[in-house]
Amino acid sequence: GQNIDQPTEMTATEGAIVQINCTYQTSGFNGLFWYQQHAGEAPTFLSYNVLDGLEEKGRFSSFLSRSKGYSYLLLKELQMKDSASYLCAVRWSGNTPLVFGKGTRLSVIA
Amino acid sequence: DVKVTQSSRYLVKRTGEKVFLECVQDMDHENMFWYRQDPGLGLRLIYFSYDVKMKEKGDIPEGYSVSREKKERFSLILESASTNQTSMYLCASSPPTGETQYFGPGTRLLVL
Repeated sequence: GQNIDQPTEMTATEGAIVQINCTYQTSGFNGLFWYQQHAGEAPTFLSYNVLDGLEEKGRFSSFLSRSKGYSYLLLKELQMKDSASYLCAVRWSGNTPLVFGKGTRLSVIA
Repeated sequence: DVKVTQSSRYLVKRTGEKVFLECVQDMDHENMFWYRQDPGLGLRLIYFSYDVKMKEKGDIPEGYSVSREKKERFSLILESASTNQTSMYLCASSPPTGETQYFGPGTRLLVL
């Protein structure tokens, strides 16, 4: 199967840093995506990793280790508006549809 | 900006009705997808299409069909709606080059 695992829920404090992990099966891997989804809305694209290393985009960064089948999304200087679900999605082999993890619901508290 | 639109944000239908969910994208994308999203189950792929008149089954195609007569439009059809098809339905599109998928706003369907 094409399993993707990420924590179900996380809570963090406003202004802090939070790391959301994602693990996946490595065979045939062809790219990893992170999406943000606010309640009742569509997922919006955050980041894309296909090579090992860290991709930084403002307050958000995403890391990938292909050999370990591991990625994380790092959110810095948390704001209340960052309360949302964060979806990890993987593409396996070529132009195939993304497979999504079940999402991590992040609650940012004051 | 990529724009993916869906015909309805909210829909209420009765068991046994035929339901059409329409999706239109304006970026000339080859690839289009239909997902449903349920609490605790995440996003699950129903059908996808890589070209006009072409369709492929996803992970949960049972009870659904699709139509892609024009490149920009991908329709999801529930031949005979059932209560277990109550869900959020999300359409997405992407170019063929492996870039990200862009999602429409979703249709929340309630089948009574």
